[in-house]
Amino acid sequence: DAKTTQPTSMDCAEGRAANLPCNHSTISGNEYVYWYRQIHSQGPQYIIHGLKNNETNEMASLIITEDRKSSTLILPHATLRDTAVYYCIVRAEVLTGTASKLTFGTGTRLQVTL
Amino acid sequence: DTAVSQTPKYLVTQMGNDKSIKCEQNLGHDTMYWYKQDSKKFLKIMFSYNNKELIINETVPNRFSPKSPDKAHLNLHINSLELGDSAVYFCASSSLGARYGYTFGSGTRLTVV
Repeated sequence: DAKTTQPTSMDCAEGRAANLPCNHSTISGNEYVYWYRQIHSQGPQYIIHGLKNNETNEMASLIITEDRKSSTLILPHATLRDTAVYYCIVRAEVLTGTASKLTFGTGTRLQVTL
Repeated sequence: DTAVSQTPKYLVTQMGNDKSIKCEQNLGHDTMYWYKQDSKKFLKIMFSYNNKELIINETVPNRFSPKSPDKAHLNLHINSLELGDSAVYFCASSSLGARYGYTFGSGTRLTVV
């Protein structure tokens, strides 16, 4: 799987949009971009994923650049409960073997403040 | 209803003991996983099963033995526990394929003393 680069930490004021960047310059055509988050002491939580097009769900929006070398996760109105470590992961559409696994990096620690 | 449930939530045991952690999912997924999160918060995959068949087996000591009696269950047995096994163990499930996200359990915090 392609490696990703994320900032170590970010701050965001409550109520504002949180924009979390991710670089994945070596991404392949069959690799999806995933975002997960882990709130303290809880299991990782799936947020959103995409292949080429921008995606939106009830939690967030995912903006993928046209060349697919970077993406941004947008939390439109951050709350204190969004404080967590956010992981950007790329994963190939391969059904078996080690290439199919979801590999977590170090992520971005997002701190939402009053 | 909890989608991916792990038991126990906490486990404190002495070195040398053998222990098991159980995981069950009611999402109808065909693939299940075990991850280990160490004290530095790094999440690392250990095993994956698809329809009871082992498909991912990372470099894990053979003291760790996963067992999947059916596609809704994936248990982890650990023999001869060591201090370094102390960690949080997460179970997850998904449908097979990169277009599907994982659902994680809430974790089992194992402390070896």
